[in-house]
Formats: sequence, C-alpha cells, structure tokens
Amino acid sequence: AAGVIQSPRHLIKEKRETATLKCYPIPRHDTVYWYQQGPGQDPQFLISFYEKMQSDKGSIPDRFSAQQFSDYHSELNMSSLELGDSALYFCASSLGRWTGPYGYTFGSGTRLTVV
Amino acid sequence: AQKITQTQPGMFVQEKEAVTLDCTYDTSDQSYGLFWYKQPSSGEMIFLIYQGSYDEQNATEGRYSLNFQKARKSANLVISASQLGDSAMYFCAMRDLSGGSNYKLTFGKGTLLTVNP
Repeated sequence: AAGVIQSPRHLIKEKRETATLKCYPIPRHDTVYWYQQGPGQDPQFLISFYEKMQSDKGSIPDRFSAQQFSDYHSELNMSSLELGDSALYFCASSLGRWTGPYGYTFGSGTRLTVV
Repeated sequence: AQKITQTQPGMFVQEKEAVTLDCTYDTSDQSYGLFWYKQPSSGEMIFLIYQGSYDEQNATEGRYSLNFQKARKSANLVISASQLGDSAMYFCAMRDLSGGSNYKLTFGKGTLLTVNP
C-alpha cells in the first residue's frame, strides 16, 4: 500500500541558508501534519492543513512557512536556518480530521542537519 | 491542554520476557484516543496500538496489549515475549476526538527499551 512519502530523506544545510521539505500524503488523504523531533526529544507539532487550508498551528518559528497544494502535497519552507533547527521532521497524513488509528500515518521523516 | 507522562526514560528486559511501559495522561477532553508508537534507531515512527477513551475492552495487537485504566488516566503498553528487534524508543501519544481541534498528536518523552539476549 502507498505510504506517506517525504523528500529528501537527508539534508545538510549551512546556517542562514533555506531548506524546503516535501511531503506527499497517502492518495486521497486531505489532511497533513508536520512535526519536529530534535535529538533525544519527543515530536513537537508544527502545523497542519486540511483541504489546503491551515487548520492548526503549533510551535512553528516565524522563519518557517508551509502550505498544502492542490494535489494535497505539502511543503515546509525553512529560512535563516539555525543550528537548533537540526532535527528529524515528520509529516503525517489522514483522510479528514479523524479516520481511526490506522488513518494517521507518518512518513519516514527528513533528517535536517544545519552546520 | 493535554499532557502525556512517561516516567521511565529507559527499560531493560530479557529476551522472551514480558515488559510494561508506563504512560499516564492528563486531559479535560471527554473523547480522546491514546496511541503507542515505536521508533527504532533508523528514525521512522511505527504505529503499534490504539485505545479510544470509550472503548470498554483493552486493545490488543499481536504481542502488544494496552492496559487502559481510565479512572487512573493510565495507558500502559505491555509487550509479551520480547524480541531483540523490540529494542527501540517507545512513545505514548494522545489525540483529542471531541471536535473543535485538528486532532494533532501530543507525545510523551518516550521510553528507550533495550532487549537483552
């Protein structure tokens, strides 16, 4: 079965550079969530989209922005990168706001390293 | 606001034995879901088991079972017959189901399980 696809899997950037992370949800899933997991930390919710509209916002820095496109894929744009942005970034998708436990699927993550 | 507490930063278990990973939660929501995820060193987040707040029976999925005690607000994960491949970080998470929110997950700090041969 198709899963949530995140690209790239690994990314190395220098301080003050920009990065774009992409998330392709499971086909027909219309809701996307972004999480950030720092080294040795639990995942923290950043932002979510439902039907291409932002539905909730968590602890996302102002330097970050995100959007969901007409084909439901989502991109997380990160500017003026800082060393503290080094983390594993997860995307998850679901069909609607709630489809049961199996309907909330995580991608494999993008590991961002800022040097 | 929701809060998940996992009090065991690390746990050790012998292969083939059972182990219980603790999770307590705090929420004012009437309807919620509780999840357990496994995160191996490779980093992916693997769904293990789910318990809804109105489910009367404890959830089971193969070797995984969830000991749900609603009055005590606990949702402990029990892994039976541990295997070496069970060595990983385990996260307990919660999601509001009562409406009015976007159903994001709130995670605990995790428990690092090591299975010894």
